[in-house]
Amino acid sequence: KNQVEQSPQSLIILEGKNCTLQCNYTVSPFSNLRWYKQDTGRGPVSLTIMTFSENTKSNGRYTATLDADTKQSSLHITASQLSDSASYICVVSAREYGNKLVFGAGTILRVKS
Amino acid sequence: NAGVMQNPRHLVRRRGQEARLRCSPVKGHSHVYWYRQLPEEGLKFMVYLQKENIIDESGMPKERFSAEFPKEGPSILRIQQVVRGDSAAYFCASSRETGALSGNTIYFGEGSWLTVV
Repeated sequence: KNQVEQSPQSLIILEGKNCTLQCNYTVSPFSNLRWYKQDTGRGPVSLTIMTFSENTKSNGRYTATLDADTKQSSLHITASQLSDSASYICVVSAREYGNKLVFGAGTILRVKS
Repeated sequence: NAGVMQNPRHLVRRRGQEARLRCSPVKGHSHVYWYRQLPEEGLKFMVYLQKENIIDESGMPKERFSAEFPKEGPSILRIQQVVRGDSAAYFCASSRETGALSGNTIYFGEGSWLTVV
């Protein structure tokens, strides 16, 4: 079973609309959770990093939330743009995994005009 | 991607040849990580290195794969006697300190796409 599960697997929305991507994780004890954006054929780019004590963090139109009790995180994208089309990856680190980041499979977002 | 440089970006090798992938971390970063991404899958950890030391290679296959990060020069991921299953994107990342647990930003390169024919 994957330690980091993301949903939906893919999503299509109209330009200007909002959307929310979900991430559930099982790794414990938890150190931090990151959201990355990966354009096709490119490397991942960091959007947010949250420790277990943080509930929300924003980066422009991106807002990440974290509930460490239920082990859930979400990434909310406001007023989507065509350039938001990418894979959004939830990444968790925990002491039991040492220096490794555990990656989810990602949610592929496509923004249509 | 804040300066992590990987080359080559694309590499084609015949089965049995060697593939050598290079990574120059962000200036001032002494921690380097290698990840592999198969088509339609998430990134998988391979190896974590500091200058001249392999800290964690638990994600790297024991045979045919090796990695180094010398005192001078880039980090190298070497795959000997490549097979079709090695075809993947290989991403290098770097951080200033121990990135994964410390919460420091880990910067990724643009990746090296290996195709084995």
